[in-house]
Amino acid sequence: GAGVSQSPSNKVTEKGKDVELRCDPISGHTALYWYRQSLGQGLEFLIYFQGNSAPDKSGLPSDRFSAERTGGSVSTLTIQRTQQEDSAVYLCASSHDREWAGELFFGEGSRLTVL
Amino acid sequence: AQKVTQAQTEISVVEKEDVTLDCVYETRDTTYYLFWYKQPPSGELVFLIRRNSFDEQNEISGRYSWNFQKSTSSFNFTITASQVVDSAVYFCALSEVGREGNYQLIWGAGTKLIIKP
Repeated sequence: GAGVSQSPSNKVTEKGKDVELRCDPISGHTALYWYRQSLGQGLEFLIYFQGNSAPDKSGLPSDRFSAERTGGSVSTLTIQRTQQEDSAVYLCASSHDREWAGELFFGEGSRLTVL
Repeated sequence: AQKVTQAQTEISVVEKEDVTLDCVYETRDTTYYLFWYKQPPSGELVFLIRRNSFDEQNEISGRYSWNFQKSTSSFNFTITASQVVDSAVYFCALSEVGREGNYQLIWGAGTKLIIKP
């Protein structure tokens, strides 16, 4: 597609449930990033993909968080046994390759609310 | 440690005024990149500019201009003749090479800019 697409745009879930957030990057972009943005805060790095591999998972806050990417394209971020502190906007970004040094294209985010 | 500071949490001005958003960074790297991103109410961050650490020339793009000064570790952003559509949260960011050779962005906390009609 023309831009980075994320779904769902909004997700309300109960504490303890699992959620999956999807990111469809710009076609041809090999690098994909997940960030988390809490209300009124800056961006917190979660994970980076180059192709289908995730060489940098250093930002995942706990083992309840996992992500995968298939076909060098779509990525899914999974949060198991959600907690209220997981409530945030989850942003996905892609770039042509890792040499583009941070020139990222972002989706509109998935707003997660854990009740 | 790498750090980006945007001391202004919120700025409010009347339309047509000029406004400057401050960004101060810390890094030990000699090669780095600095960025500004805009996040309008829709939520999608939009890339505005990237500046290489070796290029201290100021940049102007329409009503936007950027002043990069290595001596003060600052990369300030000025909007001239502001418009209501400029209302957004603006983030300054610094790139560093992550553990796996990928570029990671270190983000400032953002400055919320409100332009009143």
